[in-house]
Amino acid sequence: GAGVSQSPSNKVTEKGKDVELRCDPISGHTALYWYRQRLGQGLEFLIYFQGNSAPDKSGLPSDRFSAERTGGSVSTLTIQRTQQEDSAVYLCASSPRGSGSTYNEQFFGPGTRLTVL
Amino acid sequence: GIQVEQSPPDLILQEGANSTLRCNFSDSVNNLQWFHQNPWGQLINLFYIPSGTKQNGRLSATTVATERYSLLYISSSQTTDSGVYFCAVGRPYTGFQKLVFGTGTRLLVSP
Repeated sequence: GAGVSQSPSNKVTEKGKDVELRCDPISGHTALYWYRQRLGQGLEFLIYFQGNSAPDKSGLPSDRFSAERTGGSVSTLTIQRTQQEDSAVYLCASSPRGSGSTYNEQFFGPGTRLTVL
Repeated sequence: GIQVEQSPPDLILQEGANSTLRCNFSDSVNNLQWFHQNPWGQLINLFYIPSGTKQNGRLSATTVATERYSLLYISSSQTTDSGVYFCAVGRPYTGFQKLVFGTGTRLLVSP
């Protein structure tokens, strides 16, 4: 079946502009995560959505970052007033169930490579 | 927070060789995943293995949760095995399961 999809695959923007990144999780998965990967680094957690519950935003690096998930499916990560340090690959993941489950394997999309000039 | 250390950081092998990658973590976990990040950046799920042993073809993994480590074995390596291998763990924290990633082992398999 279809995996996690993300768009765009690449985004180049100028410093100070806003960007929106999109994630389509695997159908039926209730949990959705955003991570960031800087060049040569591991992944850093940003935000987590579980069903219709309020998201956990504990990993967002600043108030310029926000995310929403509509209808329990598609999610959008928005970065306002982009800075050069925001340049990274942004990856989305989904899992069948979130908290309280003994099975929580996460599946990742291909990522969006963001370059801020 | 929980710390994840992977070793070795870099590994160069001749095609056909075997290798063992190690992941140490600093606290109890109930989720552990191994990923292969290919040269195009895609994270490929290798194993979901919070405990026990699993095998999939030339790859196998063992997690000893009580001793806080996991091992990934690659046998008869191929050039297509090149890339970065990440270990990631999750633990109960305010009821959700974010993954904490190690810094990876970069593997190069030469023909």
